[in-house]
Amino acid sequence: EAQVTQNPRYLITVTGKKLTVTCSQNMNHEYMSWYRQDPGLGLRQIYYSMNVEVTDKGDVPEGYKVSRKEKRNFPLILESPSPNQTSLYFCASSTRAAPGGEQYFGPGTRLTVT
Amino acid sequence: AQSVAQPEDQVNVAEGNPLTVKCTYSVSGNPYLFWYVQYPNRGLQFLLKYITGDNLVKGSYGFEAEFNKSQTSFHLKKPSALVSDSALYFCAVRPPNTDKLIFGTGTRLQVFP
Repeated sequence: EAQVTQNPRYLITVTGKKLTVTCSQNMNHEYMSWYRQDPGLGLRQIYYSMNVEVTDKGDVPEGYKVSRKEKRNFPLILESPSPNQTSLYFCASSTRAAPGGEQYFGPGTRLTVT
Repeated sequence: AQSVAQPEDQVNVAEGNPLTVKCTYSVSGNPYLFWYVQYPNRGLQFLLKYITGDNLVKGSYGFEAEFNKSQTSFHLKKPSALVSDSALYFCAVRPPNTDKLIFGTGTRLQVFP
């Protein structure tokens, strides 16, 4: 089954404790992206990657890091989480082969930073 | 600045009645336009998109959307709403020559029996 998986689905952590949220897709998609969803703000893009070893900042990259060492994986790293990073996070992927290719989203990771 | 607006936080409609969820955009050139739906505790699912051609596009679950270039709008419609259509709907725009997707703030659709 074609899908985007994220782990963990739920995470409660404390300020300053480094964490990684994994994202993996099995569709051989070139493009992957991370978003955060906050009430009243919709989805905002954190980082995206157009292919292996190619990453770029989205609209809200501060406090986050990413890497793209393999085509299927795109982990999101919070080196020193803070309470304002409490949010619902989504990973997404899409093909760049077809114009206007839709994005496929993972199930989401709900992060709480205390 | 490039942006997407969904002017209604919530839309309420009775089952069987037609529904419209509004979306307008501010993007230079000819963007690609999308609608996504989010059910509770789920990720976003693609509904439909406009790339070029016929201004009325049809998508999943009986939904359709009308592209209006002069009004820079891409409203989502369905002739007869179902209770199961109740969800959060997002309009998104991809500006030309980019891979970036800009989302609106979402509209919660509530369909009452």
